[in-house]
Amino acid sequence: GAGVSQSPSNKVTEKGKDVELRCDPISGHTALYWYRQSLGQGLEFLIYFQGNSAPDKSGLPSDRFSAERTGGSVSTLTIQRTQQEDSAVYLCASSTTGAGTDTQYFGPGTRLTVL
Amino acid sequence: GDSVTQMEGPVTLSEEAFLTINCTYTATGYPSLFWYVQYPGEGLQLLLKATKADDKGSNKGFEATYRKETTSFHLEKGSVQVSDSAVYFCALQAGANNLFFGTGTRLTVIP
Repeated sequence: GAGVSQSPSNKVTEKGKDVELRCDPISGHTALYWYRQSLGQGLEFLIYFQGNSAPDKSGLPSDRFSAERTGGSVSTLTIQRTQQEDSAVYLCASSTTGAGTDTQYFGPGTRLTVL
Repeated sequence: GDSVTQMEGPVTLSEEAFLTINCTYTATGYPSLFWYVQYPGEGLQLLLKATKADDKGSNKGFEATYRKETTSFHLEKGSVQVSDSAVYFCALQAGANNLFFGTGTRLTVIP
């Protein structure tokens, strides 16, 4: 079956612009995660959605970052007024229920470059 | 807080050599432990996992045993191949439900 998909695969933007990154999780997966992979920071958790519950936003680095998940499926990560330090690969993952024993399946990522 | 400490790389081995990548963790409760692999130009994928103490995860000739007494989950393979060249990440998932990753270890296997 189809895995997690993300778009765009690459995004180049100018400092100060807003960007939207999209994630399509595996069908039927109720849990969805966003992570960021950057050279200086490794792999960092950003935000977690589970069903209709309020999202866990504890990993978002600043209020310029936000995310939503519509209809319990597709998610969009928005970065406002991008900065050069936002340059990274943004990874989306989904799992069946979000339980601690579940495997998270990752998408190919969106490489964001802020000039 | 929860964290993972992973052996620093890079690691370079000859084909058919024995591989160990050390991973230790700190967590409250009883986390699940994972090894993820990222091949060149590809996304992150699960290599193996263990969800309780003394469980052994295995896949593609790789193994790791969940050792609660030493809080470790070391990755091993008896005979590496060139195709195993990749970056390996140890990770844990505890009550918070997000994964905590180690810094990654780059493995290069030379013929």
